[in-house]
Amino acid sequence: DVKVTQSSRYLVKRTGEKVFLECVQDMDHENMFWYRQDPGLGLRLIYFSYDVKMKEKGDIPEGYSVSREKKERFSLILESASTNQTSMYLCASSFVDTYNEQFFGPGTRLTVL
Amino acid sequence: DQQVKQNSPSLSVQEGRISILNCDYTNSMFDYFLWYKKYPAEGPTFLISISSIKDKNEDGRFTVFLNKSAKHLSLHIVPSQPGDSAVYFCAGDGGNQFYFGTGTSLTVIP
Repeated sequence: DVKVTQSSRYLVKRTGEKVFLECVQDMDHENMFWYRQDPGLGLRLIYFSYDVKMKEKGDIPEGYSVSREKKERFSLILESASTNQTSMYLCASSFVDTYNEQFFGPGTRLTVL
Repeated sequence: DQQVKQNSPSLSVQEGRISILNCDYTNSMFDYFLWYKKYPAEGPTFLISISSIKDKNEDGRFTVFLNKSAKHLSLHIVPSQPGDSAVYFCAGDGGNQFYFGTGTSLTVIP
């Protein structure tokens, strides 16, 4: 079974803090993705990566950065957290050839106070 | 601007009956359309997809229909089971990223 794990299920941070969300997959997938899910807006892509050290902006990259130093790990960084970044963050991964089938982690509920 | 819309936030269906979940899109360049299912406290899981050159794809109890002229797709679940109770997201594949709808919460009543 493919497993995508995220470092925390719940996280509470203060405005202005630097926040790291970690994601690890164990299926040797080339692609990795970060989404956020908000009520009334569905899932929106923040960043994705198709290879180590490669990254591409999604729909809403502002206020975020990412890091992919190893194939199995994809980190989302909030350089200076703001209250409008309170959300559910979902990581996903997939093979390049079966891109339509993305495997998601359980999500991290981030609250920024 | 939402490129994929699911106008029904919720749907309730009796066990054994058909569930029909609807989705509309605006981007005629989508190559594929997908449905994902999400249980509480879990990430979404892939359910079924359809290529933009087809009008129907079937996988067991799940069938997706695509009407390109109407820019509309639907997911049919027959027969519906209580374990199908979840939030269903449709998505369009824009080439290098998915555009998801807002989801429809399906409740199958035993």
